[in-house]
Amino acid sequence: KAGVTQTPRYLIKTRGQQVTLSCSPISGHRSVSWYQQTPGQGLQFLFEYFSETQRNKGNFPGRFSGRQFSNSRSEMNVSTLELGDSALYLCASSLGGLAGAGGELFFGEGSRLTVL
Amino acid sequence: QKEVEQDPGPLSVPEGAIVSLNCTYSNSAFQYFMWYRQYSRKGPELLMYTYSSGNKEDGRFTAQVDKSSKYISLFIRDSQPSDSATYLCAGYSSASKIIFGSGTRLSIRP
Repeated sequence: KAGVTQTPRYLIKTRGQQVTLSCSPISGHRSVSWYQQTPGQGLQFLFEYFSETQRNKGNFPGRFSGRQFSNSRSEMNVSTLELGDSALYLCASSLGGLAGAGGELFFGEGSRLTVL
Repeated sequence: QKEVEQDPGPLSVPEGAIVSLNCTYSNSAFQYFMWYRQYSRKGPELLMYTYSSGNKEDGRFTAQVDKSSKYISLFIRDSQPSDSATYLCAGYSSASKIIFGSGTRLSIRP
């Protein structure tokens, strides 16, 4: 069974640009969550999508957005990039979403974004 | 104050030692508590989860939750070099989302 796939794995952008990251969940999983991981702040929740609807949202500015498609694949977008957006962005999928999964999230290997 | 606090380490112990990893939390609404393990250049993977106060054992790993003091612990017995990783504790409430600690880097010396 294929795991969670994230693309691209590495990317470098400059301030002011925008970036789109993609996540393909495990087959059959309908929930996709996005996290930002930095050495200082740890793993911070961005948002969760379930059946194409955003169900939960973390405390990030509106520059961070996401969407989910009918096949459960998800994308997140960061506009007007800032230096502080440099981080590892992790996508996680689960069967029933955060509310029903008992905490078992299956993470991808992440997309490492560097903003210069 | 962060909802889940965790000492970042790094923590270095010799092979075979008992390892104790700890977290504190402030959100009384947490219903589930989890430990995730993250190897370098990989995403986190669920190691253990527990619903309530008490101990839960799985092989060499024991998760302990004390809701009265809002304290979460993970014990690793007979530690192995393959246990070297970052360990993340987390709490979950039905009203919101999973909140992770910042992780503790653990190194097991052969």
